[in-house]
Amino acid sequence: DTAVSQTPKYLVTQMGNDKSIKCEQNLGHDTMYWYKQDSKKFLKIMFSYNNKELIINETVPNRFSPKSPDKAHLNLHINSLELGDSAVYFCASSLDPGIGNTIYFGEGSWLTVV
Amino acid sequence: AQSVTQLDSHVSVSEGTPVLLRCNYSSSYSPSLFWYVQHPNKGLQLLLKYTSAATLVKGINGFEAEFKKSETSFHLTKPSAHMSDAAEYFCVVRTSYNTDKLIFGTGTRLQVFP
Repeated sequence: DTAVSQTPKYLVTQMGNDKSIKCEQNLGHDTMYWYKQDSKKFLKIMFSYNNKELIINETVPNRFSPKSPDKAHLNLHINSLELGDSAVYFCASSLDPGIGNTIYFGEGSWLTVV
Repeated sequence: AQSVTQLDSHVSVSEGTPVLLRCNYSSSYSPSLFWYVQHPNKGLQLLLKYTSAATLVKGINGFEAEFKKSETSFHLTKPSAHMSDAAEYFCVVRTSYNTDKLIFGTGTRLQVFP
């Protein structure tokens, strides 16, 4: 069983479109995240939610809007896609924000904006 | 501020020889440290973590790392490399200042030659 699953895995879309990436975790965790990996493989946090409440918004453009309908889901909606949004987006979860807790990552969603 | 420096962007070894991937961290607070591995077009998998217990940490697939506070290092080692170890490795710090955020290093690409 996949612990953190995200769909779609690959997405190619045109500039200006709106797209969503869905994420679900079946680990019973309270905290979920979105991370972005750029073309140089650098990973940086975008958002963090704990019990459906936004905890971290790491200066991400407001074209990116996360939505957490329940603790097990954290979806990422992107409006007016730009070329620079091309990246790999990773969903992740942890039991809670505790410092020693492991963060489990999904397989990633490869977004290409053309 | 917290940061992580991976000293080598690429490491090449022959199969059966030791692996050393170097990581230094900077943190004003007590850190937890992690090593994640990313195989091509795959998600991030946790190799091991240090959370203020034993300073020598054993992980999966024969990897281990030693936390050295005096040197602010957390180098990853393996006695004998396998071809399947070829991947990107990320050193990650999570501090008690902001436990909800992982700070990633820039990654080290490990190549294993037959």
